[in-house]
Amino acid sequence: DAGVTQSPTHLIKTRGQQVTLRCSPKSGHDTVSWYQQALGQGPQFIFQYYEEEERQRGNFPDRFSGHQFPNYSSELNVNALLLGDSALYLCASSRTDFLGNQPQHFGDGTRLSIL
Amino acid sequence: DQQVKQNSPSLSVQEGRISILNCDYTNSMFDYFLWYKKYPAEGPTFLISISSIKDKNEDGRFTVFLNKSAKHLSLHIVPSQPGDSAVYFCAASGANFNKFYFGSGTKLNVKP
Repeated sequence: DAGVTQSPTHLIKTRGQQVTLRCSPKSGHDTVSWYQQALGQGPQFIFQYYEEEERQRGNFPDRFSGHQFPNYSSELNVNALLLGDSALYLCASSRTDFLGNQPQHFGDGTRLSIL
Repeated sequence: DQQVKQNSPSLSVQEGRISILNCDYTNSMFDYFLWYKKYPAEGPTFLISISSIKDKNEDGRFTVFLNKSAKHLSLHIVPSQPGDSAVYFCAASGANFNKFYFGSGTKLNVKP
């Protein structure tokens, strides 16, 4: 049973470029959330996708956008990259169950470095 | 806004003893609390959770305690093992469980 998979594992970009990160959720999961983790900090919520729509968004600018596909996989796009966007980007998946809370399961992340 | 806080960046414990990791939160609307463990170069791994209707949840060596009046939760690991050495994050969400807030983590070192 494959867990959450993210690609690529590492990425180096320069300021002003655009980047796309990819995530495949754990089998049986239909909800994907994206987090940014800066060095020495906890993950910060970017947004969450469910039924191919953005359901919730954190305090991130519009340069951060996403998409969810019919197979539940997801992409995170960041435009006009800034040095401060250098971080570990984590994808987490869960199953939306309105009968109770479900924990999120994380991938190993994509390390994005901006030069 | 730091709604979930872990005020101890690190903790060192002898193997076999108890490890107690603490977490405080400010939002009384939080309904669901979780602990994650993170090894270097890996994503966080779900450890244990607790709903706001409970004050204790136990899973093997791991027990989470929730004190809603103090807005405080703790993770107890008994007995601690060297393999428990990792960074531990607490997280919280509201009743819609859509958006999780994470603390900044506590690095636990269990000495053999």
